[in-house]
Amino acid sequence: GAGVSQTPSNKVTEKGKYVELRCDPISGHTALYWYRQSLGQGPEFLIYFQGTGAADDSGLPNDRFFAVRPEGSVSTLKIQRTERGDSAVYLCASSPGTPGEQYFGPGTRLTVT
Amino acid sequence: DQQVKQNSPSLSVQEGRISILNCDYTNSMFDYFLWYKKYPAEGPTFLISISSIKDKNEDGRFTVFLNKSAKHLSLHIVPSQPGDSAVYFCAAISQGGSEKLVFGKGTKLTVNP
Repeated sequence: GAGVSQTPSNKVTEKGKYVELRCDPISGHTALYWYRQSLGQGPEFLIYFQGTGAADDSGLPNDRFFAVRPEGSVSTLKIQRTERGDSAVYLCASSPGTPGEQYFGPGTRLTVT
Repeated sequence: DQQVKQNSPSLSVQEGRISILNCDYTNSMFDYFLWYKKYPAEGPTFLISISSIKDKNEDGRFTVFLNKSAKHLSLHIVPSQPGDSAVYFCAAISQGGSEKLVFGKGTKLTVNP
């Protein structure tokens, strides 16, 4: 079956612009996670959705970052007033609820110039 | 402060030999541990996991060992194959909450033919 998909695969934007990154999880997976991987680092947790609600957003670095999952399926990560330090690969993962069973998408590489 | 540490950024082994990747953690609340494998331009893929109530889990060529008292785990790959060349991430979960994965920085394994 289809895995987790993320669009776009690459996004280049200018400092100060607004961007949206999309995640399509595996059908039927109730849990959805966003992570960010900077160069030379492991993925770092941003936010977790259980259904439509953000159950844990403790990893969002500041209020420029926001994510939604209005129908409990597709999720969008939104970044306002982008900064060069936001450049990273943004990974989405979905889970059927089994501990640790998270399936990752290929990521969106965001470059802020 | 890194809660999951992989102190070796890279490891090179000969095909057919054993690869040993190490991981240390500091948070005693972690109770489930996982290894993920990542190829370039792809998301991490789950490899093997272990619960804190066990000290060993084996799956084919892959074995994970957990030493709770030392807060240390290791992944053994034997025999190593060139297709195993990838970045390996150690991750940990504290079950019962959001079950967000806390990752190490990764170890790049190169298996030489």
